[in-house]
Amino acid sequence: SAVISQKPSRDICQRGTSLTIQCQVDSQVTMMFWYRQQPGQSLTLIATANQGSEATYESGFVIDKFPISRPNLTFSTLTVSNMSPEDSSIYLCSVEWTDYGYTFGSGTRLTVV
Amino acid sequence: AQKITQTQPGMFVQEKEAVTLDCTYDTSDQSYGLFWYKQPSSGEMIFLIYQGSYDEQNATEGRYSLNFQKARKSANLVISASQLGDSAMYFCAMIPQGGGTSYGKLTFGQGTILTVHP
Repeated sequence: SAVISQKPSRDICQRGTSLTIQCQVDSQVTMMFWYRQQPGQSLTLIATANQGSEATYESGFVIDKFPISRPNLTFSTLTVSNMSPEDSSIYLCSVEWTDYGYTFGSGTRLTVV
Repeated sequence: AQKITQTQPGMFVQEKEAVTLDCTYDTSDQSYGLFWYKQPSSGEMIFLIYQGSYDEQNATEGRYSLNFQKARKSANLVISASQLGDSAMYFCAMIPQGGGTSYGKLTFGQGTILTVHP
């Protein structure tokens, strides 16, 4: 299966600042996915990132708040901008490694104070 | 649109016993995949098992088996011989496999917290 290195694993940030989360995959993948998991909640898809094109955002998520880069087939970043305490969540990236397997990064646990 | 329902917020099981975690789903897609993931307190998502909608046999992976009842739209996870390390959050998820704009997008249930007692 694909192996994803996600950084940082956790961070505590001041409100109003931004944090960029990185995901590095050990193989080339077409699509990468970014999810948010609010405290005690399930995972919600933020956006889909394809190399060479703009990310596609799900309802309720906008590019100004969660800009995504996908410069090549093994790397992607998600930025959480102008953070507020409501952004405190676990953020996870994911890739499809087979027709029936989706691998996740280890997650970034973000706390906004 | 897809929907996953996990009606058990929390489950308890004695070590070495079997436990069933419930999952029902709703979809208009003819081809789809069903997954179970384990999320320990560390937050990572660990893939456990997969079932395709056209698979005739229930999926098994070691101590994990998926009880797939297509007519009832249920995909329950059975963990046999529970271990203390099985204590975690468990998510059921599904994905359409017919292409289109939902390709690759997993829909998750609310999760079930499993606690294994010694």
